Amino acid sequence: ELKVEQNPLFLSMQEGKNYTIYCNYSTTSDRLYWYRQDPGKSLESLFVLLSNGAVKQEGRLMASLDTKARLSTLHITAAVHDLSATYFCAALTSGTYKYIFGTGTRLKVLA
Amino acid sequence: EAGVTQFPSHSVIEKGQTVTLRCDPISGHDNLYWYRRVMGKEIKFLLHFVKESKQDESGMPNNRFLAERTGGTYSTLKVQPAELEDSGVYFCASSPVSGQSSGWGGGRQFFGPGTRLTVL
Repeated sequence: ELKVEQNPLFLSMQEGKNYTIYCNYSTTSDRLYWYRQDPGKSLESLFVLLSNGAVKQEGRLMASLDTKARLSTLHITAAVHDLSATYFCAALTSGTYKYIFGTGTRLKVLA
Repeated sequence: EAGVTQFPSHSVIEKGQTVTLRCDPISGHDNLYWYRRVMGKEIKFLLHFVKESKQDESGMPNNRFLAERTGGTYSTLKVQPAELEDSGVYFCASSPVSGQSSGWGGGRQFFGPGTRLTVL
């Protein structure tokens, strides 16, 4: 059964600093998603990673996928306050439409 | 284009009562999903509809939960009778037919804002 572990659970960082959120999954997955959720709002799709070595970037966020290590990372560069949110990764169970989510990383960027 | 909507946004009920949550997906999306997040934990898959058919309901906790999607449009999730451990945020998501989300490998999900259910 596919399991997804995400860490850290909480992350408090200063503006301008870099940090990485990690997402490990236990078995083969067809694709890996990253989402952002602001308090009281819906989840917003950030990236989908479809193959080994895939890298996607949007502004200060960059996501990558290593299927051999079953690891995806979300790297934050020069954090700004607006990036404060909860970030989730989700892996798709192979051959299905069943998405397994990580516990989320609550990011707080301090001014 | 209207997004996924859910009703109500909040519901507070007593143990033993019945609650029905509603989800209206994006028009034309055949796939509809229900998820639940219990406080501080992961978002857990409950079930997946393709049009009006249940494709996968392996995540439904027990038979107190009943999901329907009559006519393949909106969906309801009924909890009867509600228990304390049913409290959490229930999310609905929809996605188009696989392959129609260009660049997303199909299956890009659009989430609703969730319904926060509190069972006292």
